[in-house]
Amino acid sequence: AQSVAQPEDQVNVAEGNPLTVKCTYSVSGNPYLFWYVQYPNRGLQFLLKYITGDNLVKGSYGFEAEFNKSQTSFHLKKPSALVSDSALYFCAVRDLQDTGRRALTFGSGTRLQVQP
Amino acid sequence: DTGVSQDPRHKITKRGQNVTFRCDPISEHNRLYWYRQTLGQGPEFLTYFQNEAQLEKSRLLSDRFSAERPKGSFSTLEIQRTEQGDSAMYLCASSLRGYETSGVTDTQYFGPGTRLTVL
Repeated sequence: AQSVAQPEDQVNVAEGNPLTVKCTYSVSGNPYLFWYVQYPNRGLQFLLKYITGDNLVKGSYGFEAEFNKSQTSFHLKKPSALVSDSALYFCAVRDLQDTGRRALTFGSGTRLQVQP
Repeated sequence: DTGVSQDPRHKITKRGQNVTFRCDPISEHNRLYWYRQTLGQGPEFLTYFQNEAQLEKSRLLSDRFSAERPKGSFSTLEIQRTEQGDSAMYLCASSLRGYETSGVTDTQYFGPGTRLTVL
């Protein structure tokens, strides 16, 4: 079974400050990890993914994520937050060794609020 | 616009009626997925097609739900005898089968969704 936990329902940060949105996962095999962002009444927009290689993954709009195998975490980060980053963020996982499954399992989401 | 498109964007129906949603994937994407998202939750997987073959179905996909992708291009999701619990955002995603060093991989790109309200 595969699962994702996003322990914070909401993260508040001041514009210009660094931000972190937390995600931990559970899979039987090797994880294929994603971050998506959702703006109001919109679909999900892909930000970045991790399969293998460098533990620091760079994505769209200045976002990056750090993979930590020992802590089974994949936290989303940005050095300097913008008001326009305010949105709902979802972490998702798929087990690469479960080749019969293509479904992503999503966390419950974290609302990021960036104050001016 | 070459992204995933969904139609309609909003649907209001009465309990017991049938509804059908359409998804047009990104051109040349051979995989298509349906997810359901309720308020305050992350998307939950419903079903997946590779070309016209339906290869994976969730237990969430009750016998009132049926999905098709007849020619391996667009897909439809039909809900028969709708219930109030079916009210949700229905999201479609598509991907292109790719290969990376760790095996077969792909990135799912999502459409804007169809919001269903069952009265």
